[in-house]
Amino acid sequence: AQSVTQPDIHITVSEGASLELRCNYSYGATPYLFWYVQSPGQGLQLLLKYFSGDTLVQGIKGFEAEFKRSQSSFNLRKPSVHWSDAAEYFCAVGTGFQKLVFGTGTRLLVSP
Amino acid sequence: EAGVAQSPRYKIIEKRQSVAFWCNPISGHATLYWYQQILGQGPKLLIQFQNNGVVDDSQLPKDRFSAERLKGVDSTLKIQPAKLEDSAVYLCASSTFSGGRHSTDTQYFGPGTRLTVL
Repeated sequence: AQSVTQPDIHITVSEGASLELRCNYSYGATPYLFWYVQSPGQGLQLLLKYFSGDTLVQGIKGFEAEFKRSQSSFNLRKPSVHWSDAAEYFCAVGTGFQKLVFGTGTRLLVSP
Repeated sequence: EAGVAQSPRYKIIEKRQSVAFWCNPISGHATLYWYQQILGQGPKLLIQFQNNGVVDDSQLPKDRFSAERLKGVDSTLKIQPAKLEDSAVYLCASSTFSGGRHSTDTQYFGPGTRLTVL
């Protein structure tokens, strides 16, 4: 069955430091992969998505993610974190017919 | 462009009561989704509509949950009777997806309805 694992429940990063959020997926075919962000009281906003082609994907708000088939990973990165990036981040895999299976999320805390 | 609208934003009910949530998708979006997000978990798909037909309701607890999308636009999700474990955020999403196994369409999410069952 398709699944997504986000091993870090919480991560704290200092403002201005770099960030990497981990995501591992299990899917039999070529995956469609997504990263969404959820701020308190808000719905989910798409940061970026991967379907094919270049394995390094650029998204909004300065985020990028790299698809590594050999590691079944799709980690999210940002070179310099801002206080406004504090939120919960969800990785998801598309399983066909546009159905999404989400991970359990990683809550990002940004310290001054 | 207006986003996905949901109401109410918050609802508190007693167990065994009924509750209904409303969703208005982005104009022109053929597909509408309802997700359940329990605290500490990722969203889980409950039901997917394409226009006014159900595409997937395999994870909808049909003994207590029901959903409809009349005229292929607005949708309501109902729980009757509610249980304590139904406490969650109910998210509605929509997309332009209109069929086919592989799609690059984006799902756009509403702000959600937070349900507390006491």
